[in-house]
Amino acid sequence: AQSVSQHNHHVILSEAASLELGCNYSYGGTVNLFWYVQYPGQHLQLLLKYFSGDPLVKGIKGFEAEFIKSKFSFNLRKPSVQWSDTAEYFCAVRGGNTGKLIFGQGTTLQVKP
Amino acid sequence: EAGVTQFPSHSVIEKGQTVTLRCDPISGHDNLYWYRRVMGKEIKFLLHFVKESKQDESGMPNNRFLAERTGGTYSTLKVQPAELEDSGVYFCASSQARFAAWREDPYSYNEQFFGPGTRLTVL
Repeated sequence: AQSVSQHNHHVILSEAASLELGCNYSYGGTVNLFWYVQYPGQHLQLLLKYFSGDPLVKGIKGFEAEFIKSKFSFNLRKPSVQWSDTAEYFCAVRGGNTGKLIFGQGTTLQVKP
Repeated sequence: EAGVTQFPSHSVIEKGQTVTLRCDPISGHDNLYWYRRVMGKEIKFLLHFVKESKQDESGMPNNRFLAERTGGTYSTLKVQPAELEDSGVYFCASSQARFAAWREDPYSYNEQFFGPGTRLTVL
């Protein structure tokens, strides 16, 4: 069965600090990978996605993620966070002949001004 | 273009009552998904419609949950009777049909767009 593990449940950073959120998945076949974000009071929004090709994908708001197939990882990064990045971040994977997404537990990021 | 909408945004009911949640997908999206997040847990898949047909209902917790999508447009998720453990946020998502049966993985390249969720509290 597919599963997704996010390493950190709660992260606190100061503005301008660098961010890396870990995500590992378990699935042996071809996968699509996603990072979603939920800002306070808002709905889930897609930050970035990996379908195929260049394993380094860039998303909105300066976020990027790197797909490392050998490590089954898709870590999210941002070189310098802002207070407005305070939100909950979800890693998700889709694989096999199904459309459903499998989500990680979510990571709450708090950025202190 | 309007996004995915859900109604109601909040619902508070007592154990044993019935609640019906509604989801309106993005116009033209054949794929419609229901997910649920129980407090403190991950977002979990419930089921997937392709147009009006249930493609995958492997995530439905039990027979107290009934989902429909008559006409292939909006969908409803009914919980009857509701139990305490049904409390949580119910998300709906939709995606365009890039389904291609000839592909080894027919759902590849599907990007799902989420609604704001319905927060259900069962007392």
